[in-house]
Amino acid sequence: SAVISQKPSRDICQRGTSLTIQCQVDSQVTMMFWYRQQPGQSLTLIATANQGSEATYESGFVIDKFPISRPNLTFSTLTVSNMSPEDSSIYLCSVEEASGYEQYFGPGTRLTVT
Amino acid sequence: AQSVAQPEDQVNVAEGNPLTVKCTYSVSGNPYLFWYVQYPNRGLQFLLKYITGDNLVKGSYGFEAEFNKSQTSFHLKKPSALVSDSALYFCAVRDMGGSYIPTFGRGTSLIVHP
Repeated sequence: SAVISQKPSRDICQRGTSLTIQCQVDSQVTMMFWYRQQPGQSLTLIATANQGSEATYESGFVIDKFPISRPNLTFSTLTVSNMSPEDSSIYLCSVEEASGYEQYFGPGTRLTVT
Repeated sequence: AQSVAQPEDQVNVAEGNPLTVKCTYSVSGNPYLFWYVQYPNRGLQFLLKYITGDNLVKGSYGFEAEFNKSQTSFHLKKPSALVSDSALYFCAVRDMGGSYIPTFGRGTSLIVHP
């Protein structure tokens, strides 16, 4: 199973600023996913990031607000731009196990916007 | 279209008693089904999956789930609950012939009382 790390683990940011979250995987993976989760609630998919192509965003999420980079098969970043308090959430990256279809998740980044 | 329902927000069980966390799904084709667990302040962990084969699948920490095609269910079970099983549990489904993106349920909080 893939091991995923995320940085930072948590941050408190001021409104109007941007934060870039890094996701590192210990093996090469084709697809990476970025989710948002309010504490104790379900996951909302933000976008899917494939190496070498533009990320695919879900309804309600746009590239200008959540730009994603995927420079290689083990790394991705998600930027939360021009933040507002509504962006306060836990951001999770995940990868899909190629042979088994299950997903493996990073520990999450807890973002608070003041 | 694919969807998944977890009808219970919370399940309470006494330590040592059997537990069941319910999940029903809807897909156009054949389903891939998954259970994940999220311990407090942690990322999601993969528990078990049904892809094909035996309807009863066994996973981590003594958990098992039974795929019931006629009832479109995939309930999570454990014969004897532990206090340490207290966590948030998510069921997820993916249509084998459809989207590569799974749909997650809203989550069920399992509380095991000493």
